[in-house]
Amino acid sequence: ETTVTQSPASLSMAVGEKVSISCKTSTDIDDDMNWYQQKSGEAPKLLISEGNTLRPGVPSRFSSSGYGTDFVFTINNVLLGDEGIYYCQQSDNVPYTFGAGTKLELK
Amino acid sequence: QVTLKESGPGMLQPSKTLSLTCSFSGFSLSTSGMVVSWIRQPSGKSLEWLAAIDWDGDKYYNPSLKSRLTVSKDTSNTQVFLKITSVDIADTATYYCARTIAAISDYWGQGVMVTVSS
Repeated sequence: ETTVTQSPASLSMAVGEKVSISCKTSTDIDDDMNWYQQKSGEAPKLLISEGNTLRPGVPSRFSSSGYGTDFVFTINNVLLGDEGIYYCQQSDNVPYTFGAGTKLELK
Repeated sequence: QVTLKESGPGMLQPSKTLSLTCSFSGFSLSTSGMVVSWIRQPSGKSLEWLAAIDWDGDKYYNPSLKSRLTVSKDTSNTQVFLKITSVDIADTATYYCARTIAAISDYWGQGVMVTVSS
C-alpha cells in the first residue's frame, strides 16, 4: 500500500498570498496524483487530476507539479472562497490512498 | 448531468451488517471504463478508499477491510451497493460514492452519515 504524507496540516494565509501544499508518496506513482478541495459539510471536489491536469471550470489559480514521489499543489492569489481542507490522493495502485489533509484558513 | 446519491440506515448497532446504496444518473455503468467507488470519512478525519466495481462487474477492495466488504451492482446498472459486515464504532463515518474513470473520482455524492452505536 502506498502511504501519502501531506504537509502542512494547516495554513493561515492572507488574501492574495501564494499557498503551497506538499504530498510525498512511499512508492513511485509516476504522475498519478489528484487534488481535492473539501468545504465544510460538503463532499470533496476534484480540482486537479493525474498529469497535473486542471479540471474543467477550475480557476487557473490552482496548479500542481510533481512526478514520482514528490508533489506540490499551489494556489496563486488565494481568495476567501478558497477556505477549506485540501487532500491529495494517489491513483496509481489500489487502495487509492489519501493524504491527511491541509486545512486552509484565510486571515 | 452526473449525480450520485447515497442512502443508508443512519444508525446501527455494533456487530450488524451495514448496507449502503448509491443511486446515480447521468452516466451508464455499462459503459466500458466506468467505475463506481466507495470512500468514507470519519468526522474530522481524512478519506479512506473502500471499494469499487467496474462496468464489467470486476470488484476491487481495500485489503485492510476486504474480508468485511462486498460491493455489487444491480442488473440495470443504475445502483451500486456496499455491505460491511460486523460493524463497530470505528465504522462510524460519512460514506460517499463517486463516479470513477481511469482511477479518477470526478463526481461524488453528497454522502450519507452512518453512526454505529449500541
